[in-house]
Amino acid sequence: GENVEQHPSTLSVQEGDSAVIKCTYSDSASNYFPWYKQELGKRPQLIIDIRSNVGEKKDQRIAVTLNKTAKHFSLHITETQPEDSAVYFCAASGELNKFYFGSGTKLNVKP
Amino acid sequence: GAGVSQSPSNKVTEKGKDVELRCDPISGHTALYWYRQSLGQGLEFLIYFQGNSAPDKSGLPSDRFSAERTGGSVSTLTIQRTQQEDSAVYLCASSSQANQETQYFGPGTRLLVL
Repeated sequence: GENVEQHPSTLSVQEGDSAVIKCTYSDSASNYFPWYKQELGKRPQLIIDIRSNVGEKKDQRIAVTLNKTAKHFSLHITETQPEDSAVYFCAASGELNKFYFGSGTKLNVKP
Repeated sequence: GAGVSQSPSNKVTEKGKDVELRCDPISGHTALYWYRQSLGQGLEFLIYFQGNSAPDKSGLPSDRFSAERTGGSVSTLTIQRTQQEDSAVYLCASSSQANQETQYFGPGTRLLVL
């Protein structure tokens, strides 16, 4: 089956700096890669996603890049703000719509 | 409209007891997922229901775990003879037929087995 690895497990940045979280996957059949943000005690919320026919997608301060050949994808947050502090999860899924999640990255944005 | 709901929000039980966790998906959503999230960990896939198809149970960690989805809507996850290692947050998510990739999560049930 699919194996998704995510790093770093924790990331601390200064407000205004950029943050990058990276994930790798093992199954070349995976074709959909969402990112979720989970604030403390809350449910995961989808923040951005990318499909395998696209290399990059951007939505305001967040962007995701995908390298199908290397089987890795990354989340980029620019101009970080304290409210960006949360746990971020990457995931991968294929035709069966079964999702495999990374272990999460705890992002701390220091004011 | 209403999102995914789960009940109870918290459950404390004694080792060896059975527990039932309930998930109400978004109305009309055909797909329903159960995940387990241990403290500080990622989401572990447990089971996936899609319409009337046989569920994908490949993520259930042992035969103490089972799930049903009645009438294609509400789902119940049952854990028999609970163990301390079952303590976790159990999350449910649903998605629509038209957009199967976008999952909407419930708030979770926090289970503590003493």
